[in-house]
Amino acid sequence: DAKTTQPPSMDCAEGRAANLPCNHSTISGNEYVYWYRQIHSQGPQYIIHGLKNNETNEMASLIITEDRKSSTLILPHATLRDTAVYYCIVRVGVLSSNTGKLIFGQGTTLQVKP
Amino acid sequence: NAGVTQTPKFQVLKTGQSMTLQCAQDMNHNSMYWYRQDPGMGLRLIYYSASEGTTDKGEVPNGYNVSRLNKREFSLRLESAAPSQTSVYFCASRTAGAVGEQFFGPGTRLTVL
Repeated sequence: DAKTTQPPSMDCAEGRAANLPCNHSTISGNEYVYWYRQIHSQGPQYIIHGLKNNETNEMASLIITEDRKSSTLILPHATLRDTAVYYCIVRVGVLSSNTGKLIFGQGTTLQVKP
Repeated sequence: NAGVTQTPKFQVLKTGQSMTLQCAQDMNHNSMYWYRQDPGMGLRLIYYSASEGTTDKGEVPNGYNVSRLNKREFSLRLESAAPSQTSVYFCASRTAGAVGEQFFGPGTRLTVL
């Protein structure tokens, strides 16, 4: 699984968009980009994933560059409850021959401020 | 629908004691996982179970054993606890399919003195 690089911390004003970058320059063609977050002391929570195209759901948008070497998670209107550690993870699609495990790095600590 | 549940929430052990961490999911998922998270670190995979009756080692299996009791339950056992096993333990289950997402439990906070 490819490694990812994220900034260790970011701040965002409440109500503004939070843009969290992730670099995955060694990503392979069959690897997906996943985002999870971990609010203090809780279990990680799935946010969104994508392969090539940009994706949007009720929580966030995921923008993947055309060369797939980087991506950005966008929380359109950040609230105080979005303060958390955000993990960018790349992983192949799960087959019978692999685990489906997630490899967590250090993530980005997002602090949403009033 | 409770999702993934874990018991106990907190536990303090003395070195050499044994205990079993329990995990159950009610989402009918085949795959289940045990991770540990040390302070300031990301999660690391201990063991996983791709389906009922199968288990495999992850990155850090030493000192642990697991049992996939049935489709719902996946337990983690520490036979002889060591201070290095002080950590927060998370259980997860995964939806089916190639891009299945993982759902995590609330964690068990274990301290070994």
